Amino acid sequence: EIVLTQSPATLSLSPGERATLSCRASQSVRSYLAWYQQKPGQAPRLLIYDASNRATGIPARFSGSGSGTDFTLTISSLEPEDFAVYYCQQRSYWPPTFGQGTKVEIK
Amino acid sequence: EVQLLESGGGLVRPGGSLRLSCEASGFTFSDYAMNWVRQAPGKGLEWVSAIVGGGSNTYYADSVKGRFTISRDNSKNTLHLQMHSLRADDTAVYYCAKDRLVIAEYCFDSWGQGTLVTVAS
Repeated sequence: EIVLTQSPATLSLSPGERATLSCRASQSVRSYLAWYQQKPGQAPRLLIYDASNRATGIPARFSGSGSGTDFTLTISSLEPEDFAVYYCQQRSYWPPTFGQGTKVEIK
Repeated sequence: EVQLLESGGGLVRPGGSLRLSCEASGFTFSDYAMNWVRQAPGKGLEWVSAIVGGGSNTYYADSVKGRFTISRDNSKNTLHLQMHSLRADDTAVYYCAKDRLVIAEYCFDSWGQGTLVTVAS
């Protein structure tokens, strides 16, 4: 089973700042990596699929990059609604697995 | 607009059974694989099961294989998860999640709001 390790566990930033989240895979997942956002009490929402493709309706301030084992989700300028938990997920190997999450909190 | 509405959660004793349902609307249901993903209280996400658009192929996480059965009724736009031999570690919010393609691609582009399953005596 592929293990995804996200860092940092918590990111404390102010609105308007840039957020950089990392996801590292235990072996290459090629570009089959997605990012999801989850707010308290809500379902996850797909942000990025296949490493760098924004899902429908996702603002351009969200971008993804990477391939192989190292991936990054960047939020160029944090909006108040962006403070949430972010999960990465791979689908290169069965079973699909998720990282443990990075919480982006208001500083 | 895609809508997924789960139901059927509740409190069940260890060893008991429960059937979850997910009613879908806003898209051609049979054109997409569907999944169940769960989240234990305060924990991360765990994929549970998938079924392809036509219903012919199903897939299960090792943690639920032999105990859970996924099925779909494309005439009623409904997804089901039959759960047997429930254990305390099955306690979670169960989400219905739409796949991007008819096959099980495991890219979840729409999610329901979830239904809570609590296994306790």
